[in-house]
Order: sequence, then structure tokens, then C-alpha cells
Amino acid sequence: GEEVAQTPKHLVRGEGQKAKLYCAPIKGHSYVFWYQQVLKNEFKFLISFQNENVFDETGMPKERFSAKCLPNSPCSLEIQATKLEDSAVYFCASSQSTGREQYFGPGTRLTVT
Amino acid sequence: KQEVTQIPAALSVPEGENLVLNCSFTDSAIYNLQWFRQDPGKGLTSLLLIQSSQREQTSGRLNASLDKSSGRSTLYIAASQPGDSATYLCAVRPQNQGGKLIFGQGTELSVKP
Repeated sequence: GEEVAQTPKHLVRGEGQKAKLYCAPIKGHSYVFWYQQVLKNEFKFLISFQNENVFDETGMPKERFSAKCLPNSPCSLEIQATKLEDSAVYFCASSQSTGREQYFGPGTRLTVT
Repeated sequence: KQEVTQIPAALSVPEGENLVLNCSFTDSAIYNLQWFRQDPGKGLTSLLLIQSSQREQTSGRLNASLDKSSGRSTLYIAASQPGDSATYLCAVRPQNQGGKLIFGQGTELSVKP
């Protein structure tokens, strides 16, 4: 597609439950990035993929967060055993290459209660 | 560690004014800089991308400049309109750190009719 698609738009989980977020990048874009927006304007990089390969995972909290980009499937970000501090908006972005513009999806708002 | 700062945090202007938003970064080793706007509850819309070798980019009423050596970028908005009201974010892509973006805290712009 011509836009980055993210589902669901909103997700509510009780503390300790699993959360799974999905992202479909723009067709033809090789790179996918995940960011976490906490407290209005604090963006934190989590992980990036080049096609189905992890490109950079320096921002990922390794213990509970995992992500995948498999061929012919939306990319996914999974949080096991969610905590209150995981409440945030999670954005996915895609680009043709690391030097080109990143195009962002509408985000998934995760609320952990 | 790269840090990005945006000043002012908030700005309110009457319709028709020309205005300048500022972005500074601590490490001049960047690959490019991207300006975004974010409407409340929405994703990021890419406005302009400036490569490190460029001095400025223009799109319609927007003009972004980059002075890499001094670690500064400005976004100039001409003849502001109420529809320009949004949060404006700048983000740098550091060299040799994959393709991730480091974001500033944003400037919340309100244009009054």
C-alpha cells in the first residue's frame, strides 16, 4: 500500500498480559522501524528491520519485548507480561533505505491497566 | 550521545505571521535531518528531509535550513494559517547508528484566526 498501516488502533491489557501490535510497511520499502512515544513527545527507538532481518535492536528491552518481520506477513511487536510503564503509543515507520525519508503509521495506543 | 533540543516548546501566533522553529543537536555527525508535524492523536507526517550535504529544502510555504557544523536547523513557515496548528518535531539520523531517528521534544504551534 501507499501508507504504513498499523493495527489495532487501541489496545488495552491488564498488567501481566501479552500485547501484540502489527505493522504493514509501504510496498517496496525494505526497512521497518518501531518507536515508542511516551508522555506526549518523547520518542524512543526500539528496533529496525531490513526485510526480515533485524537491522538494529539497540533500543529493545530484551526481557519482554520481541519483534518479527516475516515474508508476506505484517511485521509484529510483542510485549510479554506487560507493565504499567509500557503504556504508550507505538509507531511503526518504513523507508526505502536508511538514508531516505521515514514514513510513519498512525500508531497503536497501548494502555496497560 | 546525540541529543536533540527544540525551542520554543510552545508558540502561539496570529494568522498570517511568518515564524521560525528551532532545532539543535549536539553531535554534528549526522546523515540527515527530518522535520515532521504531528496532529493531536495522530501519527507523524513527514514535511522535509535535509541530507547532511544540503543547506536547505523547500516545500510550499515551508523552508528548512541545516547548519551541520553548528548543530542547528530551522523550520520557517511563511504566512501561517490556523491549519498549521500542530506539534512540529525534528529528528536527526546519526551516522553509523543504523537508520534510527533521534527526536527532539517538539514545538507545539497554535495559529489563531
